[in-house]
Amino acid sequence: AQKVTQAQTEISVVEKEDVTLDCVYETRDTTYYLFWYKQPPSGELVFLIRRNSFDEQNEISGRYSWNFQKSTSSFNFTITASQVVDSAVYFCALFIPGAGSYQLTFGKGTKLSVIP
Amino acid sequence: DSGVTQTPKHLITATGQRVTLRCSPRSGDLSVYWYQQSLDQGLQFLIQYYNGEERAKGNILERFSAQQFPDLHSELNLSSLELGDSALYFCASSGGTSGTDTQYFGPGTRLTVL
Repeated sequence: AQKVTQAQTEISVVEKEDVTLDCVYETRDTTYYLFWYKQPPSGELVFLIRRNSFDEQNEISGRYSWNFQKSTSSFNFTITASQVVDSAVYFCALFIPGAGSYQLTFGKGTKLSVIP
Repeated sequence: DSGVTQTPKHLITATGQRVTLRCSPRSGDLSVYWYQQSLDQGLQFLIQYYNGEERAKGNILERFSAQQFPDLHSELNLSSLELGDSALYFCASSGGTSGTDTQYFGPGTRLTVL
């Protein structure tokens, strides 16, 4: 069975600080996909990134960066120079193709508050 | 804007009632997924449809049902509502049946059962 753990329930940082959101996943499959989604206070779920299990390259997109480490089953998300608009709940999710169910398995989410 | 639309945005109803939530996928997407987000259960997959056919079922109650129509929009029907059904219901869509395509989510329908 697959599982995603986001151990940090809530994080508060002061604007312009860097912050890392942790994600640890469990699966016995060798092929899988990892995702991050953002849920701002308005409630919608916004796609941020998708990474497959064969691509361990880290990715940077503006102030956002992702560190994928298969050795520790982690897919951590770093926001550099945080801004108030980054305040949201962030979800890490796992997908196993061919598992018979096309569901995303989500972690419980990390609520990030950026204080001005 | 993900391109996925959901109506209504908010729904308030009483226990024992039946409601229908509607979702229109992104243009060209054939798969539609329904998820429920509640405080105690988090985000849970309910059901997937691909091009009108049911493809996968998750933790969907027997009181709940869904369908996807020829124009690819989908409806989630919730009946004999209970207080515990109060939640945010999301629809997502993706391009193919393999599921590896990214799922893009609609804005959600917030259901309150009184």
